[in-house]
Amino acid sequence: DAGVTQSPTHLIKTRGQHVTLRCSPISGHKSVSWYQQVLGQGPQFIFQYYEKEERGRGNFPDRFSARQFPNYSSELNVNALLLGDSALYLCASSSGPGSYEQYFGPGTRLTVT
Amino acid sequence: GEDVEQSLFLSVREGDSSVINCTYTDSSSTYLYWYKQEPGAGLQLLTYIFSNMDMKQDQRLTVLLNKKDKHLSLRIADTQTGDSAIYFCAEKKEPGSARQLTFGSGTQLTVLP
Repeated sequence: DAGVTQSPTHLIKTRGQHVTLRCSPISGHKSVSWYQQVLGQGPQFIFQYYEKEERGRGNFPDRFSARQFPNYSSELNVNALLLGDSALYLCASSSGPGSYEQYFGPGTRLTVT
Repeated sequence: GEDVEQSLFLSVREGDSSVINCTYTDSSSTYLYWYKQEPGAGLQLLTYIFSNMDMKQDQRLTVLLNKKDKHLSLRIADTQTGDSAIYFCAEKKEPGSARQLTFGSGTQLTVLP
């Protein structure tokens, strides 16, 4: 079975631009969470979605938004990119919001110049 | 301050045991996790322990939990060069919490031949 998949693998954007990152969860999993991992730090929670609804949000500005589709895949959108948004963006999949097992994808490396 | 703290670096000789330590501050944490991250990759779930347990063993991995001191450790027996990676400790605060995981900054484990 495929694990969590994310696309693209890498991308480079300029300050002020917008970016969309995509994630497909493990088959049968209905919950997707997004994390930001800045170089040298642990991942920081951004959002959780379950059954297409936002179930949790971390301490990130409104420039960050996400959605989940009927097939449980998800998109993370970031507007008005800042240099500080450069990070590895990780998607995690779980069966539901209360599940104690989360499985991570390989991440998308975003560089903002 | 940080909710979860880890030492930054650990070096061991191949074949020795490695012990990676973590402290957390929230006594309401119900699940505690260890993830492994290899260079350029996402996070791999290694093991987890419920807060009502003291110890969990899974092949070469042993997790010890001291709730009184809010201290978690991961012991890797017979450490191999393939174990070289960054190890993250993480906590989940309440059952079903939508806030998901809070990570430490990671411990870089280097295995010397």
